[in-house]
Amino acid sequence: QKEVEQNSGPLSVPEGAIASLNCTYSDRGSQSFFWYRQYSGKSPELIMSIYSNGDKEDGRFTAQLNKASQYVSLLIRDSQPSDSATYLCAVTPLTNFGNEKLTFGTGTRLTIIP
Amino acid sequence: IAGITQAPTSQILAAGRRMTLRCTQDMRHNAMYWYRQDLGLGLRLIHYSNTAGTTGKGEVPDGYSVSRANTDDFPLTLASAVPSQTSVYFCASSETGGSNSPLHFGNGTRLTVT
Repeated sequence: QKEVEQNSGPLSVPEGAIASLNCTYSDRGSQSFFWYRQYSGKSPELIMSIYSNGDKEDGRFTAQLNKASQYVSLLIRDSQPSDSATYLCAVTPLTNFGNEKLTFGTGTRLTIIP
Repeated sequence: IAGITQAPTSQILAAGRRMTLRCTQDMRHNAMYWYRQDLGLGLRLIHYSNTAGTTGKGEVPDGYSVSRANTDDFPLTLASAVPSQTSVYFCASSETGGSNSPLHFGNGTRLTVT
């Protein structure tokens, strides 16, 4: 089992709808969770971080963390064509470890259809 | 503009040749990282440095070496390139090496080993 799993997609969502991206992780002790966006041919950029159970909202983006079920999700409301990108989930799998243990999923490719 | 500069942007390299990928940051971040990104495999950590003067091995260190003589620079050297090192290489930094410190990525170097 991969440490961090994402559906590779592509996920197609109509413009204006809610895009829902999911990520599951294997280590129950994981503490830090990140969502990065990567446009084609570009570098990843951080869009959300979440460290405790529940929801965290930032503009049109909401990260949801459920440690009991070992998943983290990203919701994008009012999806725009500019949201079309690959979204990478990243998890620090163990407590008391730093970024050297940060593990990335392979990403979900999201396409927003005008 | 503060950030991470990588050079070269792209390179075609003959197998067996030595190559150094350059990475410089001006954010005074303590930690720096080298990742490679391959289709279907995601981002994998090659080497990291939590502070100037120290380095550590990541998930895929074989065939690569790094040095961290000062805070700003973190070069990655391929001593004798092989075709399996064909990849996109990203340098990243974070304020600290801790798991709550998000990564900032450079624009990447696309390396082809023939």
